[in-house]
Amino acid sequence: GAVVSQHPSWVICKSGTSVKIECRSLDFQATTMFWYRQFPKQSLMLMATSNEGSKATYEQGVEKDKFLINHASLTLSTLTVTSAHPEDSSFYICSATASGGGQYFGPGTRLTVT
Amino acid sequence: QKEVEQDPGPLSVPEGAIVSLNCTYSNSAFQYFMWYRQYSRKGPELLMYTYSSGNKEDGRFTAQVDKSSKYISLFIRDSQPSDSATYLCAMSEAAGNKLTFGGGTRVLVKP
Repeated sequence: GAVVSQHPSWVICKSGTSVKIECRSLDFQATTMFWYRQFPKQSLMLMATSNEGSKATYEQGVEKDKFLINHASLTLSTLTVTSAHPEDSSFYICSATASGGGQYFGPGTRLTVT
Repeated sequence: QKEVEQDPGPLSVPEGAIVSLNCTYSNSAFQYFMWYRQYSRKGPELLMYTYSSGNKEDGRFTAQVDKSSKYISLFIRDSQPSDSATYLCAMSEAAGNKLTFGGGTRVLVKP
């Protein structure tokens, strides 16, 4: 099946700093990638849709200036959490759609803001 | 009412039993249906992907879609303790569109 990677797998940062998370489709090209966050024992919450070469589309309630998304190539999308605060601590997961239509998820990035 | 409803469980079954999972939905425009398995602190793993109504089988997994009833199912045969996880149904109106998820069902397969 299609493989999606994320880097880093976990990160700890201090409040007020910025953190960048990378999402890569390793064996396919993805014009569209999605970013989710997930709190313990809850389902995934879609944050934004990332389109290659254009601006991301954010879900209602998600601050686009805080969660910066860049989809610079057909295999890479990045999510930057700017001026992170403890309430941003969460599990961030990306996904990408393969040509057959199935949507494949990365392994996730655990962010802890101290 | 949520757009996709899924019993949260937990669903506990003995090893070797058939696990039966289902979701109901309200949006008749959904055309693509997926089932994912998620272990704790891991990303969801795509198990089954189907388009429109019908059945699909892959190894121990069988997915069924009944669009007339807005009801989808996943069956896991010969369940193993390693199948213990949370199972998420997801659906979209078109290929590549954003997914709408059910809340997930936690499954526990006891040896």
